[in-house]
Amino acid sequence: GNSVTQMEGPVTLSEEAFLTINCTYTATGYPSLFWYVQYPGEGLQLLLKATKADDKGSNKGFEATYRKETTSFHLEKGSVQVSDSAVYFCALSDPPSGTYKYIFGTGTRLKVLA
Amino acid sequence: SAVISQKPSRDICQRGTSLTIQCQVDSQVTMMFWYRQQPGQSLTLIATANQGSEATYESGFVIDKFPISRPNLTFSTLTVSNMSPEDSSIYLCSVVSGFGYTFGSGTRLTVV
Repeated sequence: GNSVTQMEGPVTLSEEAFLTINCTYTATGYPSLFWYVQYPGEGLQLLLKATKADDKGSNKGFEATYRKETTSFHLEKGSVQVSDSAVYFCALSDPPSGTYKYIFGTGTRLKVLA
Repeated sequence: SAVISQKPSRDICQRGTSLTIQCQVDSQVTMMFWYRQQPGQSLTLIATANQGSEATYESGFVIDKFPISRPNLTFSTLTVSNMSPEDSSIYLCSVVSGFGYTFGSGTRLTVV
């Protein structure tokens, strides 16, 4: 079945460091891929998405490219800020199934130090 | 995208009791979804709530434990029944918008 694998956290970085959070997936069909962010005490928010191979999603300085050949959707940011401290979830949906079900990774906690 | 108001934001409940969580959406939506996020884990879909029909439950979740109501296109409730400490989790509702899912802010439930 479909699945999402994320790198384990926590990830601790200094402010202005480069961030990569790895995400790989297994899916039948052609899923859409998403990154969600959960700030402390808040619900999940959609960060970015990509719907087909080679698409690049971007938002708030974060980027992720849909790589079908490596079944990956790694999240990157060139210079993190303390305010980026949160839990990041990679997810996929498989529209051809018609159910709009999401499968989430286990989440990666990011802590950015000033 | 849709805006979801979810309440309560948190509660501490005695085992054996029940808690009803409410989600109000600011626009009409066909499907609403209820997720559980257990401590340190990812989100797991509990059920899909469609207006005018019974909810569809995922494997491992049953209606007697998690009854759901969907009286109209903007509102849904999830009840966690006969609670035990293992039910301590964050419960979230969500809807599909044009860009992806929109989530409520979650209900943090602690069962003692």
